[in-house]
Amino acid sequence: EDQVTQSPEALRLQEGESSSLNCSYTVSGLRGLFWYRQDPGKGPEFLFTLYSAGEEKEKERLKATLTKKESFLHITAPKPEDSATYLCAVRISSGSARQLTFGSGTQLTVLP
Amino acid sequence: DAGVIQSPRHEVTEMGQEVTLRCKPISGHNSLFWYRQTMMRGLELLIYFNNNVPIDDSGMPEDRFSAKMPNASFSTLKIQPSEPRDSAVYFCASRIGTANNEKLFFGSGTQLSVL
Repeated sequence: EDQVTQSPEALRLQEGESSSLNCSYTVSGLRGLFWYRQDPGKGPEFLFTLYSAGEEKEKERLKATLTKKESFLHITAPKPEDSATYLCAVRISSGSARQLTFGSGTQLTVLP
Repeated sequence: DAGVIQSPRHEVTEMGQEVTLRCKPISGHNSLFWYRQTMMRGLELLIYFNNNVPIDDSGMPEDRFSAKMPNASFSTLKIQPSEPRDSAVYFCASRIGTANNEKLFFGSGTQLSVL
């Protein structure tokens, strides 16, 4: 069964304390891995798409990387406004061509 | 652009009642998705439409759930009759349906509580 697992479930950082969030997957025929950010009371907001192992994407203090088994979301010198739940999702080649399977998310809290 | 608009933001109803959730996708987007989010199961795809046609409804939990998209600017998700286990946040999302474009734009969701 295709699975997406995110860790840790929750992470508390001090402002400026860099860290990484993990998204591991066991799927056949990966057709893309996606990172979203979700603020309380809002819908997820798209951050990145990664398609192949070795690919990296950056946006401000965030950098996403992809290997054949997992993806990391690196947060460099985070600020309190980076506090949110970060979701990863995978798209597989079989089944529905447009179905994303989401992980359960990592709730990040950055303390001032 | 106003983004994806969902209504109502909150809905409280009693078991057995009919519930209708509404969604207006971003103008020009031709794919629309309904998701449900709970603490236990996370974000689950219920159904998605492409050019107003339902493509995959395998995520719809039961016959009590139905979704329609009568035109490109409006979709509804109906639950009849509602049950307490349907309590969740329901999200609508849209995107431009081109190849390899998975950049979904989500609405703010409808918080449904079935008592």
